[in-house]
Amino acid sequence: AQSVSQHNHHVILSEAASLELGCNYSYGGTVNLFWYVQYPGQHLQLLLKYFSGDPLVKGIKGFEAEFIKSKFSFNLRKPSVQWSDTAEYFCAVNPGGSYIPTFGRGTSLIVHP
Amino acid sequence: SQTIHQWPATLVQPVGSPLSLECTVEGTSNPNLYWYRQAAGRGLQLLFYSVGIGQISSEVPQNLSASRPQDRQFILSSKKLLLSDSGFYLCAWSVSTTGNEQFFGPGTRLTVL
Repeated sequence: AQSVSQHNHHVILSEAASLELGCNYSYGGTVNLFWYVQYPGQHLQLLLKYFSGDPLVKGIKGFEAEFIKSKFSFNLRKPSVQWSDTAEYFCAVNPGGSYIPTFGRGTSLIVHP
Repeated sequence: SQTIHQWPATLVQPVGSPLSLECTVEGTSNPNLYWYRQAAGRGLQLLFYSVGIGQISSEVPQNLSASRPQDRQFILSSKKLLLSDSGFYLCAWSVSTTGNEQFFGPGTRLTVL
């Protein structure tokens, strides 16, 4: 069965710091890749997704992620975080042809003003 | 636009009591529907998914069951709750083709005493 690893479980940053959250998966075939975000007290929502094409995808609120197929990775980045980025971030991988995504354990990000 | 509702938002139940959590989706037809349990630091555990009325797939054997009596209604049930059933339950939907992003409801916080 496929697995998704998020290496950073808790990240604490100051405003304006750069962010990179790691995500690796263990499936060798075609995949759809997602990052979801859960702000305090809000629904889990999509941040960005990759299906095909340009491996560098841009999402909402200045986030981007890069798909590196050879490394089975889909890391999330933001050059300058804000206090409002405090949230939990989940990476998810959906093998091609599957209804069922696999989620990572999540990364809790706290940004200090 | 599509919306997803879950109720109740919070629930406190004694051990051994029955459970019924409801999820409804508006603004779409024939969605895939999912029940997850979210535990802090452990990500999202898929409990059940459904690709159509009356079609339920269980991912984890446990004390819970699910039903889909209507196209856009998904119910999570238990005949007798256990302490270990406490948690945060999320309902989600996606369009009926495979590999698509999911849209999550606000969740139900269940406490079993």
